[in-house]
Amino acid sequence: EDQVTQSPEALRLQEGESSSLNCSYTVSGLRGLFWYRQDPGKGPEFLFTLYSAGEEKEKERLKATLTKKESFLHITAPKPEDSATYLCAVQAGSGYSTLTFGKGTMLLVSP
Amino acid sequence: DVKVTQSSRYLVKRTGEKVFLECVQDMDHENMFWYRQDPGLGLRLIYFSYDVKMKEKGDIPEGYSVSREKKERFSLILESASTNQTSMYLCASSVGQEGTNRVGNTIYFGEGSWLTVV
Repeated sequence: EDQVTQSPEALRLQEGESSSLNCSYTVSGLRGLFWYRQDPGKGPEFLFTLYSAGEEKEKERLKATLTKKESFLHITAPKPEDSATYLCAVQAGSGYSTLTFGKGTMLLVSP
Repeated sequence: DVKVTQSSRYLVKRTGEKVFLECVQDMDHENMFWYRQDPGLGLRLIYFSYDVKMKEKGDIPEGYSVSREKKERFSLILESASTNQTSMYLCASSVGQEGTNRVGNTIYFGEGSWLTVV
């Protein structure tokens, strides 16, 4: 059974204080690892897909990296508008493209 | 931009009522999904569909059914709503290519439907 664990559950940062969110996974045959951002009361918004170990992707202050066991979402010099819940999910195996999600990290960036 | 539209953002229904949640996508995606999201439990897959009139059970299908009569539309049905089905329901879609492409396919979500069963 695919498993995805995110840590920490919650993270509070000061504006400009860089940090990283962790997503560790146990799957059979990773096809893709996905990061989403979710604002309160809204659906998840797609950020990145990573397909193989060593891959990195960047978008503004966010950078996602992937190893064979985990992924990191690095947030550089965050701003209050980066406050959200960040979700990690995996697609695995040879079957249909369903996602298995972690429970998310709730990020709060204070001015 | 991918657009997944859920017709109702907020619903309040009574126990025992039949409830329909509707979802439409405008990107000609083969796959469509219904998830529910609950505090502390994260997102869990209820049902998905990989083609018109086709459906597969997800992790928590009990108490739910689905309908996909047209490619762009996927409906979630609660035959007899119960209070433990109070939740946020998320519809999503993605391109197909099942079994022929080892690369993952990005899944795009709608804004969610908040259902309260009283």
